[in-house]
Amino acid sequence: SQKIEQNSEALNIQEGKTATLTCNYTNYSPAYLQWYRQDPGRGPVFLLLIRENEKEKRKERLKVTFDTTLKQSLFHITASQPADSATYLCALVLYNQGGKLIFGQGTELSVKP
Amino acid sequence: DTEVTQTPKHLVMGMTNKKSLKCEQHMGHRAMYWYKQKAKKPPELMFVYSYEKLSINESVPSRFSPECPNSSLLNLHLHALQPEDSALYLCASSQDGPSTDTQYFGPGTRLTVL
Repeated sequence: SQKIEQNSEALNIQEGKTATLTCNYTNYSPAYLQWYRQDPGRGPVFLLLIRENEKEKRKERLKVTFDTTLKQSLFHITASQPADSATYLCALVLYNQGGKLIFGQGTELSVKP
Repeated sequence: DTEVTQTPKHLVMGMTNKKSLKCEQHMGHRAMYWYKQKAKKPPELMFVYSYEKLSINESVPSRFSPECPNSSLLNLHLHALQPEDSALYLCASSQDGPSTDTQYFGPGTRLTVL
């Protein structure tokens, strides 16, 4: 069966440390993978997109890797801050299904001062 | 303007009511989406409109009826809903579609069905 799994429902880290979130998928062939941030009661906000032929993408303190052999993406936030506390969602873009976006269940990140 | 707006923010309705959710964007995007999100769950795609035509319907019950009057507006008409339909309804848009582009989400409408 097709699955997208994010490593944990919740992740607690200390301010200044690097947060690493994992997204694994099975029986999908995504053309792209995206990461979104969602705050309580708000819509998701796009952070980064990585294509199947890209290994790594960076934006300021954010870094995403994409390993299509392992069927895994890692999302890193370096020098984390309490303001980074939110739920982070990975999403697969299924080009062979009309560009449909399938979300993982999310990881709730809490950064403590 | 990089905003997707949704009205109303909150909606409470009975099972016999008819109501509509509205979504608007002025970014010139040609793909618009409806998602449903239950608490502590990820958004689930309901409908996709591409160039004002319905391109994806994820087997959504007919009590949900989407409408795209023009390229900037998307409606979701609700009729005879069930309590289990209570959720956050999110609208999104993207430049082109069906999309491999970034999707811009609105803040959502929190729907409660009594």
